[in-house]
Amino acid sequence: AQSVTQPDIHITVSEGASLELRCNYSYGATPYLFWYVQSPGQGLQLLLKYFSGDTLVQGIKGFEAEFKRSQSSFNLRKPSVHWSDAAEYFCAVGAGANNLFFGTGTRLTVIP
Amino acid sequence: DTEVTQTPKHLVMGMTNKKSLKCEQHMGHRAMYWYKQKAKKPPELMFVYSYEKLSINESVPSRFSPECPNSSLLNLHLHALQPEDSALYLCASSQIGEGQPQHFGDGTRLSIL
Repeated sequence: AQSVTQPDIHITVSEGASLELRCNYSYGATPYLFWYVQSPGQGLQLLLKYFSGDTLVQGIKGFEAEFKRSQSSFNLRKPSVHWSDAAEYFCAVGAGANNLFFGTGTRLTVIP
Repeated sequence: DTEVTQTPKHLVMGMTNKKSLKCEQHMGHRAMYWYKQKAKKPPELMFVYSYEKLSINESVPSRFSPECPNSSLLNLHLHALQPEDSALYLCASSQIGEGQPQHFGDGTRLSIL
């Protein structure tokens, strides 16, 4: 069965510091992996996606993620965090046609 | 700016009221979705429409009734809701097929009195 684990419920970083959000997945076939961001009172915005090919994926807003099959991970990174990055981040795995399974989310707080 | 538009942004209704949530997309997507999201939780899938036909109903109570009048529009009709139905209701759309990313609207914040 498919599942997504985001081990960190809440992360606090200083503005300008680097960021890594962890995501581990469980899926029997080749996974389709996504990172979404949700600002307060808004919907989910797609940051990036992995289907196949290059395991380092570039996304919007300076984010990147690396797919590691051996570790069943798809961690999100950003070299320098901005105050506007404070939000909830969801990792998701696509299973079959049009099914999306979300992790429980990681809330990011940015300290000035 | 989101390409999936949801109206209204906020809705307060009594338990005996009937109301509808609306969703519109013009990206040519043929799959549309309704999700329910409680505070500090991930979205929970309610319904999926593929080619304007209901393909997934995640055991949602009948007080929620979806409708897909055409390929661009998705409605969620509400009747006799309970206080625990208060949540953010998100609409999404995507191309049909494996691994297609879903594009979300900003949601309707629903409060049941």
